[in-house]
Amino acid sequence: TQLLEQSPQFLSIQEGENLTVYCNSSSVFSSLQWYRQEPGEGPVLLVTVVTGGEVKKLKRLTFQFGDARKDSSLHITAAQPGDTGLYLCAGGGTQGGSEKLVFGKGTKLTVNP
Amino acid sequence: NAGVMQNPRHLVRRRGQEARLRCSPMKGHSHVYWYRQLPEEGLKFMVYLQKENIIDESGMPKERFSAEFPKEGPSILRIQQVVRGDSAAYFCASSPRAWGREEAFFGQGTRLTVV
Repeated sequence: TQLLEQSPQFLSIQEGENLTVYCNSSSVFSSLQWYRQEPGEGPVLLVTVVTGGEVKKLKRLTFQFGDARKDSSLHITAAQPGDTGLYLCAGGGTQGGSEKLVFGKGTKLTVNP
Repeated sequence: NAGVMQNPRHLVRRRGQEARLRCSPMKGHSHVYWYRQLPEEGLKFMVYLQKENIIDESGMPKERFSAEFPKEGPSILRIQQVVRGDSAAYFCASSPRAWGREEAFFGQGTRLTVV
């Protein structure tokens, strides 16, 4: 069974601070996706990384896929209250005979003004 | 993710009743995935369907739960004789091809409360 561990589980910071959240696994994934979910809403895809070592930037967000395609990180620069939400990582791969996404439990980020 | 439509958004059922959750995928998407999310938890895979076929139901309880994706119409997740433990948010996602490297888009979910 492929498992994804996210850390930290909860993070509360002040506006303007930087932060990094991590997504780790002992399994290799064909892709790694990051989602952001707000209360009462569905997850919204932020980025997909597919190549080991890949780095993608989305404004103040930087995503990195580990060289071995087992882990990923999300770094946010100068966090803003609008960044508040649940950040979920999900690994794509074949499990149980079909390709599906396996999700971590998420990092709940609160950015205080 | 506005393209994936789920209804109802909120559903309240008494113990023992049936719950039917609907998911209309994005236009052109023939792959549908259902996930369940408990409070403060990530999403747990339930079932993967293509039109008229169940591809993988390894995450779905063997009893009381069933899913379909007919040739015409939305995908349906059916829970019979609901119990309190079924209370959760149920999300569906759709993609044009099988996941792995494909992007998938989620609906806004159906929040089921069993009283």
